[in-house]
Amino acid sequence: EAQVTQNPRYLITVTGKKLTVTCSQNMNHEYMSWYRQDPGLGLRQIYYSMNVEVTDKGDVPEGYKVSRKEKRNFPLILESPSPNQTSLYFCASSFSGGPLYEQYFGPGTRLTVT
Amino acid sequence: KNQVEQSPQSLIILEGKNCTLQCNYTVSPFSNLRWYKQDTGRGPVSLTIMTFSENTKSNGRYTATLDADTKQSSLHITASQLSDSASYICVILSGTYKYIFGTGTRLKVLA
Repeated sequence: EAQVTQNPRYLITVTGKKLTVTCSQNMNHEYMSWYRQDPGLGLRQIYYSMNVEVTDKGDVPEGYKVSRKEKRNFPLILESPSPNQTSLYFCASSFSGGPLYEQYFGPGTRLTVT
Repeated sequence: KNQVEQSPQSLIILEGKNCTLQCNYTVSPFSNLRWYKQDTGRGPVSLTIMTFSENTKSNGRYTATLDADTKQSSLHITASQLSDSASYICVILSGTYKYIFGTGTRLKVLA
């Protein structure tokens, strides 16, 4: 089944404890992206990757890191999480960038930082 | 500043009725406009993708319109069903890789 998977689905952690949220797709997609969704603000793009080893900042990259060493994986790293990073996170992928291709979203990761 | 504004914020309708959701945007550059459906606690699912040259696009009971001159779009839902209860999000692709999301309209369909 073609899908985008995220792990973990739920995570409660404490301020300053490094964490990684994994994202994997099995559709051989070039483009992958991370978003956070907060009440009243909608989804906002954190980072995106056009292909292996190529990444760029979205609108809200502060406090996050990403890497794209393999085509299928695009982990989101929080080096020192803070309470303002409590949010619902979505990973998405598409065949390529550009106007023709649909984005497919993962199921989401709900992160709470205390 | 790039913005995507949606109205109304929330809407309640009876099953079988039609409804129209609105999206106004000020985004440049503009590549295309997308409507997504998001069920509570789940990832968004694409309904339609429209480029600036397309005025109307349908997907079953969902019909999206786009007026690129006035920078307005609408999503019309015909003969609503209980399963249509969800948030509907208008999204602009700016350039090749950047997506800008509206805050969504929360629709509830009552039996």
